Amino acid sequence: DAGVIQSPRHEVTEMGQEVTLRCKPISGHNSLFWYRQTMMRGLELLIYFNNNVPIDDSGMPEDRFSAKMPNASFSTLKIQPSEPRDSAVYFCASSLTDNYEQYFGPGTRLTVT
Amino acid sequence: TQLLEQSPQFLSIQEGENLTVYCNSSSVFSSLQWYRQEPGEGPVLLVTVVTGGEVKKLKRLTFQFGDARKDSSLHITAAQPGDTGLYLCAGEEAAGNKLTFGGGTRVLVKP
Repeated sequence: DAGVIQSPRHEVTEMGQEVTLRCKPISGHNSLFWYRQTMMRGLELLIYFNNNVPIDDSGMPEDRFSAKMPNASFSTLKIQPSEPRDSAVYFCASSLTDNYEQYFGPGTRLTVT
Repeated sequence: TQLLEQSPQFLSIQEGENLTVYCNSSSVFSSLQWYRQEPGEGPVLLVTVVTGGEVKKLKRLTFQFGDARKDSSLHITAAQPGDTGLYLCAGEEAAGNKLTFGGGTRVLVKP
């Protein structure tokens, strides 16, 4: 079975541009998580969904960040406008709602210049 | 917010040596997980411990959950270069199904 799929794997953009990161969770998983990882702050939870509904977005840094999950097999994380401090590796993970074991995708390395 | 602190932050050892990584909190967790992350990849789940005092073994890796479910340790026996990576502990919060991650321990096993 395919694991969590993320695209793109690498993204380089200029400050002020819109960035959209994509995630396809493992089929059958009904919880989806977006994380950001940096050397300084480690792995931070941004937002998570249960059954396509956002449950906790308290980790989203500011209004420039938004996330959607239009169906059970697809989610996006959008940054508009992007800033250099948004540079990080963004991970998507999925799990079953009643099982706390999360499966991570390979991540998207975002560089904002 | 429940916090998890890992120590040490970085560990460099020779192949064949043993090592222990610690994960501590002032909060009680329902369960705790350990992940290993290699460069350019996402974290991969190694084990979940649920019961206070529980010990689980995965080949040369031994995981222990503290009696009070506030701390955990990971012990690697006879480390190999393939054990190199970032080790992350994560605690299950009481409400919801989200995890709190520790800051990680970078382990380097030199041949």
